[in-house]
Amino acid sequence: SQQGEEDPQALSIQEGENATMNCSYKTSINNLQWYRQNSGRGLVHLILIRSNEREKHSGRLRVTLDTSKKSSSLLITASRAADTASYFCALNGLNRDDKIIFGKGTRLHILP
Amino acid sequence: DGGITQSPKYLFRKEGQNVTLSCEQNLNHDAMYWYRQDPGQGLRLIYYSQIVNDFQKGDIAEGYSVSREKKESFPLTVTSAQKNPTAFYLCASRNTQGSYSNQPQHFGDGTRLSIL
Repeated sequence: SQQGEEDPQALSIQEGENATMNCSYKTSINNLQWYRQNSGRGLVHLILIRSNEREKHSGRLRVTLDTSKKSSSLLITASRAADTASYFCALNGLNRDDKIIFGKGTRLHILP
Repeated sequence: DGGITQSPKYLFRKEGQNVTLSCEQNLNHDAMYWYRQDPGQGLRLIYYSQIVNDFQKGDIAEGYSVSREKKESFPLTVTSAQKNPTAFYLCASRNTQGSYSNQPQHFGDGTRLSIL
């Protein structure tokens, strides 16, 4: 399958703790993207990491990419109630068919 | 503000009826996409268009049709041939200028389609 697989499927943590989500894949990629989806809403792009990059930061978000293991992780530090959402990794392959393949997501619930 | 507008937010379809979901963007993006999302699932690509007057089938195109007569608009018709249309439908667009693939997709807020 070209789809990324997120792990865990669901995660509940206390507010203020860090949340880590992982994405594994099987194909070669051009880049990997992370998106957030609040309930009943569209997806919002968080971070794009290219295949030649190993780590990127954006505010409280940190994304790593290990192309040798074909895996990526998304770390959210000092979680807040507003971080409650589903998080998806999306793969952009090497061909030029302009498709991005989304995984099934990790549902993150921040407990007050 | 630039963005993607999907309408309606909720839509009900009767048996044997075709319905059309609207997607409009003012981001000046060339590429547009339609996805279907079922509960607890990821997004599956229905159709996509990289340029006006051209579009390609995605992974689950059967029972759906699209048109791309204007850059800003990419309507999706759910035909009566789609036997299980109940889902959340998301439209997205992407800037394909410059570095071809290193651009994110921008999403609308979706249309929830149900069967009466």
